[in-house]
Amino acid sequence: GAVVSQHPSWVICKSGTSVKIECRSLDFQATTMFWYRQFPKQSLMLMATSNEGSKATYEQGVEKDKFLINHASLTLSTLTVTSAHPEDSSFYICSARDLGETQYFGPGTRLLVL
Amino acid sequence: GQQLNQSPQSMFIQEGEDVSMNCTSSSIFNTWLWYKQDPGEGPVLLIALYKAGELTSNGRLTAQFGITRKDSFLNISASIPSDVGIYFCAGQSSARQLTFGSGTQLTVLP
Repeated sequence: GAVVSQHPSWVICKSGTSVKIECRSLDFQATTMFWYRQFPKQSLMLMATSNEGSKATYEQGVEKDKFLINHASLTLSTLTVTSAHPEDSSFYICSARDLGETQYFGPGTRLLVL
Repeated sequence: GQQLNQSPQSMFIQEGEDVSMNCTSSSIFNTWLWYKQDPGEGPVLLIALYKAGELTSNGRLTAQFGITRKDSFLNISASIPSDVGIYFCAGQSSARQLTFGSGTQLTVLP
């Protein structure tokens, strides 16, 4: 089946630093990838839609200057949390959509901002 | 925006019992999907439903796409310990984005 990887799987950083999370589709090309955020005991909330070669589309309430998304190739999208603060601590999950329009999810990245 | 109501929020069942959970929406979806998420992992797709009225099985799992296109249910038969986890429904709209339900935490007691 389709495999999506994320790196790193977890990261701890100091407040004010930036963190980059990578999402890769390993065995298929994905023109569209999605970034979600999940707080403990809550559902997944869509943050943004990442389209290869164009600007990402952000959901209402998500700051595009804080959560920078780059989708430079058909197999890689990156999410950079800039000037991270403790309230940004969360579980970040990406998904990649194949040609059949099925979304396959990565294993998630747990971010802890101290 | 679109909202999905998923119930029950949590379930405690004995091993071997059947389980049923459902989702209802305030609006129509083109596709219904059911995912399972283990702690610290991303969601894994269990079943995808593409047509109203469709009934689809995947092993011990059965899911249906409601006729009104505003609801779906998932049944798990003869539960086993590894069924433990959080189950999410998700609806896909014409905009091809997913809206997730609030999740059902399933605990299977030996």
